[in-house]
Formats: sequence, C-alpha cells, structure tokens
Amino acid sequence: KAGVTQTPRYLIKTRGQQVTLSCSPISGHRSVSWYQQTPGQGLQFLFEYFSETQRNKGNFPGRFSGRQFSNSRSEMNVSTLELGDSALYLCASSWRLGGVTEAFFGQGTRLTVV
Amino acid sequence: EDQVTQSPEALRLQEGESSSLNCSYTVSGLRGLFWYRQDPGKGPEFLFTLYSAGEEKEKERLKATLTKKESFLHITAPKPEDSATYLCAVPPQGGSEKLVFGKGTKLTVNP
Repeated sequence: KAGVTQTPRYLIKTRGQQVTLSCSPISGHRSVSWYQQTPGQGLQFLFEYFSETQRNKGNFPGRFSGRQFSNSRSEMNVSTLELGDSALYLCASSWRLGGVTEAFFGQGTRLTVV
Repeated sequence: EDQVTQSPEALRLQEGESSSLNCSYTVSGLRGLFWYRQDPGKGPEFLFTLYSAGEEKEKERLKATLTKKESFLHITAPKPEDSATYLCAVPPQGGSEKLVFGKGTKLTVNP
C-alpha cells in the first residue's frame, strides 16, 4: 500500500514569490492535514481538510491557504513568501472514522526562501 | 491551552544502555496519545497510539506506557539505529484531527 506522497521534495523560492505544494494521501484516507516544522517551533498545525472542506485552521496568516480535491489529494499555497516561511512542510493523512485515528505523514517538502 | 512537553530535549546513550523518554500533557479528556519517530529530513513515522491510562504497547525495543498525566517511551538495550527524534502528540478537545506536538527528544545511541 503506497504511503503519503508529497511533491516536490525540495523547493527554493525568492522572497515575494508564491509556491504550491502537493499531497496525495494513502488510498482510502479522506482526511488530510498540513503542518509546518521549524527547528525553533517544532511541528505546528496549518489546516485540515476532509471531503474537500476545510475543517480546522491553525494560527497562520492568510498567505497560507489550501484545498482538497474530490480524490482527496490536497494542495497548499503560500503567497508573498517571507524568509521565515523556510521550513519542512508535512502532510498527514488519516481515515477518520469519527474517533481518534492515527495520522500517517509524508516525507515532506523542504522549502527554502532566499 | 493544550500543551505537550517532552523531556529531556536530547539524550545520549551507549548501545545497550536502557532509558526512558517522557511526554507530559495538559489536555483534559484525553482522546489518545501518539508516539512518532522522525529521522533527519524525513516525515514522522507512526509508532504507537495509547488511549487510556494503564495501557502499554510494545514494538521491538520500544515500549510506550500511559498515565493520566504523562506517557513514557521506554527503550530497552538500544542500538545505534534507534537514533532519531521521538515525538509525542495529542489531539486537542473536540472532534478535530489536528495534533498538538511536543518539541521532541533527540536520541543518540553510540556504538
């Protein structure tokens, strides 16, 4: 069974540009969450999607947005990039049976803003 | 605010030297606690889910336990390949799939 796939693995962007990251969840999983990981802050929740609807959003500025498609694949977009956006962006998928379910992570996209 | 605190931040062990990592949480009405292992530059790898106080789960040299206020990850006779950052996470109150993570414990096992 294929795991969570994130593309691209690495990105280098310039300040002010925008970027789109992609996540394909495990087959059959309908919930996708995004996290930002930095050395200082650790893993911080960005947003969660289920059945194409955003269910939760973390404490990040509006420059961070996302969406989910009918096949459960998800994208996140960051506009007007800042140096502080450099981080490992992680996507996690889960089945979501209504209770607490395990989340499985992809390998992440390493974004560097210069 | 829901919080997860892990200690120590870093731990160096000799191969075969057993120890424990701690994860304390302040979430009320705990719905579950997750342990993950993360290697440098990679995504977290799921290890265990614990649901209620007194529960224990084992996998190879790792055993996770849960009390009402904290969880322990016991590492028995570790090997160098156990070197990684170990993260614990809890879902906050409510029905969200969001996870609140601790900062992790970086474990180094020397041969």
